[in-house]
Amino acid sequence: RKEVEQDPGPFNVPEGATVAFNCTYSNSASQSFFWYRQDCRKEPKLLMSVYSSGNEDGRFTAQLNRASQYISLLIRDSKLSDSATYLCVVPGGGNKLTFGTGTQLKVEL
Amino acid sequence: DAGVTQSPTHLIKTRGQQVTLRCSPKSGHDTVSWYQQALGQGPQFIFQYYEEEERQRGNFPDRFSGHQFPNYSSELNVNALLLGDSALYLCASSFRAREEKLFFGSGTQLSVL
Repeated sequence: RKEVEQDPGPFNVPEGATVAFNCTYSNSASQSFFWYRQDCRKEPKLLMSVYSSGNEDGRFTAQLNRASQYISLLIRDSKLSDSATYLCVVPGGGNKLTFGTGTQLKVEL
Repeated sequence: DAGVTQSPTHLIKTRGQQVTLRCSPKSGHDTVSWYQQALGQGPQFIFQYYEEEERQRGNFPDRFSGHQFPNYSSELNVNALLLGDSALYLCASSFRAREEKLFFGSGTQLSVL
């Protein structure tokens, strides 16, 4: 299994839809996880941190399933501005973050 | 409050040349790490600098080297450029080497012809 694995997409959804991305990881000892958002060829920006079973921030919910070693990101009421690539990240100690390849989301009118 | 700044924004080189990329960390940060992001891939960790020393390194050859200066800014040097080195090079900073939440600069797009 890859260290961090994501479905690359793209996910094309209409405005207002709910969309979910999954990410699997191989290191069962990992304690924290992140979702980053990256707009086209710009820098990744931290979207959410996940330290326990989950985290919610407005329309965004991240959930962690340690038994199955996967993390999910749920976006409710999608906006056009949510169109981006969403990167699943597992820290490897210190500044060494292991990124997935990213899942591309396109929200359409 | 200045964020992470990188220069140049774009660079074109030919195979075999050498390149130096520069990064200034966010104000108050003392640790810099470098990532390479090829098209369609996630960023890959190159190395981390803290207290002017390389502290961690990813799976990159010795052609990739770096430096950190007393003011915490950093350089990434790549020698003997290959076509496969074409990528977006991202610098990230944090306060202390153990911090996992990173702030990224907007990157340097390197094209090797």
